[in-house]
Amino acid sequence: NAGVTQTPKFRVLKTGQSMTLLCAQDMNHEYMYWYRQDPGMGLRLIHYSVGEGTTAKGEVPDGYNVSRLKKQNFLLGLESAAPSQTSVYFCASSYRGTGLRNTEAFFGQGTRLTVV
Amino acid sequence: AQSVTQLDSHVSVSEGTPVLLRCNYSSSYSPSLFWYVQHPNKGLQLLLKYTSAATLVKGINGFEAEFKKSETSFHLTKPSAHMSDAAEYFCVVSDRELTGGGNKLTFGTGTQLKVEL
Repeated sequence: NAGVTQTPKFRVLKTGQSMTLLCAQDMNHEYMYWYRQDPGMGLRLIHYSVGEGTTAKGEVPDGYNVSRLKKQNFLLGLESAAPSQTSVYFCASSYRGTGLRNTEAFFGQGTRLTVV
Repeated sequence: AQSVTQLDSHVSVSEGTPVLLRCNYSSSYSPSLFWYVQHPNKGLQLLLKYTSAATLVKGINGFEAEFKKSETSFHLTKPSAHMSDAAEYFCVVSDRELTGGGNKLTFGTGTQLKVEL
């Protein structure tokens, strides 16, 4: 069972370069998310999607763009990388819960990005 | 607004002794609560979840947590630590949806568990 798969796993960028991180899930989840993890700060939500063709801003969206052209894929783009974007990026997905209870998220292995 | 406080950034135990990782939450609604574990250079794995059924929740690898509404706590415990438990643990609260849908998850800052021989 693949679950949530992220590519690449590691990347070093120069300031000003662009790149795209790919996330793929095979669980038919409606919701997908991109988080960044920084030391001592837990995970913070960058962007999310509630379905194919939809995206929305999270807590720290500046400097990032996303697209969800297919239900199973969620792309995170950095148009002009900055050293402040050095972080570990996690993609996650979850299904729509029933009733009033939220469901858990399933996470990928992470992408370690360094911007020099 | 929902928030989570993990009371210890680092916990060190000896192998075979009990583990206690503390988590307090703040929520205006009836929350869902989760504990995730992250081993070095790995993704986050769900340990257990509370979603309004039994207040004592059992998870994988012998971990359990008790939801105490009066204390707004969701502490993670394990009777006997193993070397393989060394990892970072995150307490997560969710009591609402994001705008338009999706689960609003608020993460604690993490507790690093060290297990010594």
